[in-house]
Amino acid sequence: EVQLVESGGGLVQPGGSLRLSCAASGFIFSNYWMSWVRQAPGKGLEWVANIKEDGSEKYYVDSVKGRFTISRDNAKNSLYLQMKSLRAEDTAVYYCARAAWGSYGCFDIWGRGTMVIVSS
Amino acid sequence: DIQMTQSPSSLSATVGDRVTLTCQASQDITKHLNWFQQKPGKAPKLLIYDASNLETGVPSRFSGSGSGTDFTFTISSLQPEDFATYYCQEYDNLPPYTFGQGTKLEIK
Repeated sequence: EVQLVESGGGLVQPGGSLRLSCAASGFIFSNYWMSWVRQAPGKGLEWVANIKEDGSEKYYVDSVKGRFTISRDNAKNSLYLQMKSLRAEDTAVYYCARAAWGSYGCFDIWGRGTMVIVSS
Repeated sequence: DIQMTQSPSSLSATVGDRVTLTCQASQDITKHLNWFQQKPGKAPKLLIYDASNLETGVPSRFSGSGSGTDFTFTISSLQPEDFATYYCQEYDNLPPYTFGQGTKLEIK
């Protein structure tokens, strides 16, 4: 079964750091672009970052540039999001999403999400 | 960055109704437009990709059309399980990839 499972969310103080992980299974992870998408409570979806199959290209939404780092370990079938200097507005459910084969922005598989709460 | 405007923001309808949602891009995105369904507490689900292609396993009552800046999403005959929030999303060229603000489809 094709599956993405996020972990690493939790409560963190403003200015703090957190590392999210996404474990992939059921497909050849190294063949796909991967993204993080977030959703603040009661709000819409916001694309956060993506990374090319081999990790050679990475892109970010402006609001997280310089604070978040996306990475992957194809040997471990895992995607990561290192988050630093967290702000209240980063509070959201963070989803890991796979881009369909041959695509970079068509998200066909999603994880169930992990909640990040930034609060003192 | 490309802006995506969905309308309406909410809609009340009855089982069996035909429902059409629209999504407008701030610039030409050719056919790089997807539609997602999201139910409360769940991850989004891809329904339509590249404006008009039905994702595998998605019922044929869902359809999409359009190109350039104007797109539509139609449910031909609403079923009880279709009440949810629907998002359009563009992926033209380089990121960021922008989602519309969503349309909440509710039971009348």
